[in-house]
Amino acid sequence: NAGVTQTPKFRILKIGQSMTLQCAQDMNHNYMYWYRQDPGMGLKLIYYSVGAGITDKGEVPNGYNVSRSTTEDFPLRLELAAPSQTSVYFCASGSFGSRSFNTGELFFGEGSRLTVL
Amino acid sequence: AQSVTQPDIHITVSEGASLELRCNYSYGATPYLFWYVQSPGQGLQLLLKYFSGDTLVQGIKGFEAEFKRSQSSFNLRKPSVHWSDAAEYFCAVGPRNTGKLIFGQGTTLQVKP
Repeated sequence: NAGVTQTPKFRILKIGQSMTLQCAQDMNHNYMYWYRQDPGMGLKLIYYSVGAGITDKGEVPNGYNVSRSTTEDFPLRLELAAPSQTSVYFCASGSFGSRSFNTGELFFGEGSRLTVL
Repeated sequence: AQSVTQPDIHITVSEGASLELRCNYSYGATPYLFWYVQSPGQGLQLLLKYFSGDTLVQGIKGFEAEFKRSQSSFNLRKPSVHWSDAAEYFCAVGPRNTGKLIFGQGTTLQVKP
């Protein structure tokens, strides 16, 4: 069982470049999330999705975009990379809301380390 | 404002010694509380969670945590630490029905032989 899979694991970007971080889950979870982790700051929520076609901003959405065309996939797009976006990005998923099966927890991928130079 | 504070950024304990990691939260609604552990280069793994009921909750790997509403705390404990427990630990709070968690800054645990 793969769980939450993120690609790539490492990436170096130049300022102004764009890229997409991929995230896929095979647990049929309705909710998916993108967090960024900076040293000494914990994890901050960038965007989340409650289901296919529905996304919403988290605490730190500026400079990012997301889409959710399927239940399984939740890519994170950086359009104009800036040094402030150097971070470790985590995708997570969970089952919440009115569904009968509520995981009550998040399942995390292994992270994508992004450096912007 | 909603927030989670982990007062200890870095803790070092000897193998076999007891451990307590502190967590204080500020949350307007009924808090649902979590502890996650992150090993180097890995994602986060859930140690335990508190939703309601008994305020002392048991988790994986021999960890437990106690919810104290009057102190707005959810401290993590382990009676005897093993070298493999060296990792970063995150406390988090959030609503049960959306999973939008607010994380603390994390506490790095180092274990001395």
